[in-house]
Amino acid sequence: EVQLVESGGGLVQPGGSLRLSCAASGFTFSSYEMNWVRQAPGKGLEWVSYISSSGSTIYYADSVKGRFTISRDNAKNSLYLQMNSLRAEDTAVYYCVRGVTLCYFDYWGQGTLVTVSS
Amino acid sequence: QSVLTQPPSASGTPGQRVTISCSGSSSNIGSNYVYWYQQLPGTAPKLLIYRNNQRPSGVPDRFSGSKSGTSASLAISGLRSEDEADYYCAAWDDSLSALFGGGTKLTVL
Repeated sequence: EVQLVESGGGLVQPGGSLRLSCAASGFTFSSYEMNWVRQAPGKGLEWVSYISSSGSTIYYADSVKGRFTISRDNAKNSLYLQMNSLRAEDTAVYYCVRGVTLCYFDYWGQGTLVTVSS
Repeated sequence: QSVLTQPPSASGTPGQRVTISCSGSSSNIGSNYVYWYQQLPGTAPKLLIYRNNQRPSGVPDRFSGSKSGTSASLAISGLRSEDEADYYCAAWDDSLSALFGGGTKLTVL
């Protein structure tokens, strides 16, 4: 059974940093693309970042470019999102999402809530 | 404001057929596949339709997708109370980003 379990969310002050992790199991992690997708409270879905199976190709949404860094450790079956210079508008549930290909998101984690507030 | 445009709400009675539209442009829907996701209240989104009109295993054939030019549609036939959810379209954009529609809240009356 495919499982994606996010961790690392919490309350952080504006300008602060946070690192999200996603532990993957039930599939060959190194064979799949991965993404982060977020959802602000009461709002719609927003794609945040993509990383290819090898980690060689990375894309970011304009809203996080230069502030967020996606990475993966295939030996540890883990995906990460380093978030710096956090803003109030980054407040959201962050989902770890497996991708078959671009936009083809076949499995989603349950999400971790990030709240940016003073 | 989302680049993929969906109606904010839709509704129907049990047994009815409803459609949800998704409008984009030549750089996204016009040149890439469309995907649909269903988000039941309080849960993570779930893949409903992939590559314009394909259903993952386990998704009832009451759900169908179509695409024409720069627009796409999700149709739900034989509407049931458990279909009440938020529905999102998605497509890759040639500017190297994934786009979601703003979402459509479906109410079963």
